[in-house]
Parts: sequence; C-alpha cells; structure tokens
Amino acid sequence: NAGVTQTPKFQVLKTGQSMTLQCAQDMNHEYMSWYRQDPGMGLRLIHYSVGAGITDQGEVPNGYNVSRSTTEDFPLRLLSAAPSQTSVYFCASSQLGQTYEQYFGPGTRLTVT
Amino acid sequence: GDSVTQMEGPVTLSEEAFLTINCTYTATGYPSLFWYVQYPGEGLQLLLKATKADDKGSNKGFEATYRKETTSFHLEKGSVQVSDSAVYFCALSDRVSFGNEKLTFGTGTRLTIIP
Repeated sequence: NAGVTQTPKFQVLKTGQSMTLQCAQDMNHEYMSWYRQDPGMGLRLIHYSVGAGITDQGEVPNGYNVSRSTTEDFPLRLLSAAPSQTSVYFCASSQLGQTYEQYFGPGTRLTVT
Repeated sequence: GDSVTQMEGPVTLSEEAFLTINCTYTATGYPSLFWYVQYPGEGLQLLLKATKADDKGSNKGFEATYRKETTSFHLEKGSVQVSDSAVYFCALSDRVSFGNEKLTFGTGTRLTIIP
C-alpha cells in the first residue's frame, strides 16, 4: 500500500514553461485535492475532485488546471509557469464524508525562475 | 469565511518541557477541528481531531479540547521529546454539503525541541 505518491519531488522551471505534477493514490479514495504551501500562509486549496470526471476550484485556482479521468490519478497542470507559483505542492486524498482526514503525499518543491 | 489563527512561531523548548500551541477559529457553521503535524521532508499527517464542543482529541501524548465559548482548540503536551520537532497546523472542516467539505488550515507553528 503506497498511499499517496507524487512525482517529481523537485522541479525547476523557467517562466512560461508548462508542466504536470503527478499524483496517484491506491486507497480507492473518492476525494482528492491539491494544495500549495507557502511560508506564513499555511496550505491553500488549489483544486479538488469528489470523483472521476468531477473537479472544482479551490481558493487559488488561477494558473492551474486539473482533470480526473480515473479514481487513482489527479494530475495538476501548470499552464504557463510564473515565479509566483514557486511553492511546495501537496496532493491529498480521503474518503468522501471523511475529508477532514486527508492523507498527504510527500510534496513537490517547484521553483520558477 | 472560515479562518484559523495560530500562534506565531517558531517555538523552541527544552526536552520534557510543557507545550502549548494556541489556535482560535472563525466559522459560520459547526466545524470539526483538527491538528495536523508535518515532520521534516514529509507531508502532513492527522494528529488528532474533535468533532463537537467539549470533545477532547488526543494522540501520542498530545491533547486539544474543542472550546466553543472561546472558539479555541489549543494543542498541549505535558513533556515534549526531540522527536516532536515538526510543524503543527490547526485546521477546521465546515461541511457545506455532502462531498463539499474543505479543510481550512492555519499558517503552521514550527516547534523545535532541544535535548
């Protein structure tokens, strides 16, 4: 049981480049979410999904895109990277109705220059 | 909207000291309250939770009591260890509707325990 896995662990992008952060879970959780963690700001919700084919925006969705074609995978796409997107990104999953108990991946540290 | 306010860090204590990390919240409904912990280089893990007023959550020697009258959920531990060094996040979950339950996190408090 791997839990929630994220790749890559580290990434450096130039302004304007695009990339996809990968997230997968093997717990059959319906709910998946993406957060960014910035110093002094805690975690902020970017996008979330309550099941395959269903996604919605969180608190800070601009500049990010998501899709959920399977229960297991929830990739986060940066369309045109900006220095303001330098952050640590966490993917999390949980059962519906128990989304307070989210299982977090180890994070991806992204730097945009 | 919902919000969580934690005491500013960083906090540095000696081993076996008493720990309190303050947390207060603002919510429109009846939230559940949580403490998450993030050890160095890892993602967050749920440490403890309380789902209604006067509930006490506890785990690994940590405790927090849901105080509705003061809108607080302070984290305490009687005797900290070096292994408790981590970042602690207070959070609330206010269910808007089924399947629409979002966690709102505080900014985190970095705790360092020195031997």
